[in-house]
Parts: sequence; structure tokens; C-alpha cells
Amino acid sequence: DTAVSQTPKYLVTQMGNDKSIKCEQNLGHDTMYWYKQDSKKFLKIMFSYNNKELIINETVPNRFSPKSPDKAHLNLHINSLELGDSAVYFCASSPRVAGGTDTQYFGPGTRLTVL
Amino acid sequence: DQQVKQNSPSLSVQEGRISILNCDYTNSMFDYFLWYKKYPAEGPTFLISISSIKDKNEDGRFTVFLNKSAKHLSLHIVPSQPGDSAVYFCAASLYNQGGKLIFGQGTELSVKP
Repeated sequence: DTAVSQTPKYLVTQMGNDKSIKCEQNLGHDTMYWYKQDSKKFLKIMFSYNNKELIINETVPNRFSPKSPDKAHLNLHINSLELGDSAVYFCASSPRVAGGTDTQYFGPGTRLTVL
Repeated sequence: DQQVKQNSPSLSVQEGRISILNCDYTNSMFDYFLWYKKYPAEGPTFLISISSIKDKNEDGRFTVFLNKSAKHLSLHIVPSQPGDSAVYFCAASLYNQGGKLIFGQGTELSVKP
């Protein structure tokens, strides 16, 4: 009964490959997010979706494409993986599109290693 | 250009004493500040928040103080317990920015028995 789940937990792949990370939330939330935690430990937002509609798209390479088939799922597809894509990717959700008034609930993270 | 900074990567405290974690920010338009706690191999979990119109918010052992003139906030944990050992992230939000949170790089707290 995990609130926000991500698969896989670990992903090791070669440069140039295409991979996807899946995220699901069972909290009934309207808004979902993808964050990237780089080697310097900063958590940086990549995308947010509200009811399947893209709300935030930070300056992320277009090799990264989020897909939201329904409001409970937000998947992240990455084309032509590069060494610099190695990081931990966190999915999160919140009841609404809001700032600090709505808590964001995070998944356990997916550690991506590009060789 | 990091708008939220936690300059202490680690902090070690004795059980029962006070832990003080610090956070500095540069953008005076932030409307909410939050603290998240993260255990290894888990995602961050929300701990406590404060509106920019307040200077203090308390929840049990956790108190957050906001000094807007200094663009500084701090999290106080009293008394500290070994189970508090984790990485603490400070985050800030801007009104009407789609729920975007801007995080600091975290401070690893170790509470020793």
C-alpha cells in the first residue's frame, strides 16, 4: 500500500540506450512531479503535471520526455542516455498545484547509472 | 545559481541535546519554506513548514525559525533522538509556480546515543 511507488529502484545501462522509469501514486492526488538529485545532492525539479497536463518544464534536455497516461501515473522516458544523466530520480505527488501549502509526497527514488 | 543553500553538509549532536540546522536563501519572493527529512534509500518526507509571513512554527520537538531580513531559516530539534539521524533538506516555494520546490543540498544529522 505504498503511497508513491517507482520502478525500477536501480537501473544500470549503457550510454546511448533509451530507458523508462515508472511512477504511480495511490493517494488520489492531482499533481505529480519528477526531481533529479545529482552528484552534489541538490534535488532539482524537472517536470510537474496536473491532471495529465504539463505545468512545469524546467530547462531539461528534450531527451527527457514525461508521459502521464492518467493522473495516478507519471512516467519518465529518457532517450540516448548520457553519462551525465546518472543520478537519483524522485517522483512526487501533491493534492493540488500549490506551493508550500500542499505537502509533496516522494517516492523512494530510482538510482540510474549510465556506463 | 543556487537560491537555497545549506552550508553545513553534516552535523553531529549528542542524544538529548539541541540540533540546529541552518538554511540561507537569496530570493525574497519565496512564500513558503519547508523542511524535509530523508533516510537512506528512501524519498524525502515532509517535516514542517513556515509561511513567509510568520517567524516561528512549532510542531512537537521541531521548531522552524524564519529571519526574513537575514534571509535565513533554521530548524531546531529538541531533544534530539538517535532516530532523528537523517539528511535534512530545506526547501522554498514561490507562489503560483506550479508547486515547484527549490531545495538546498541537505545537511546530514547524526545523533549519537
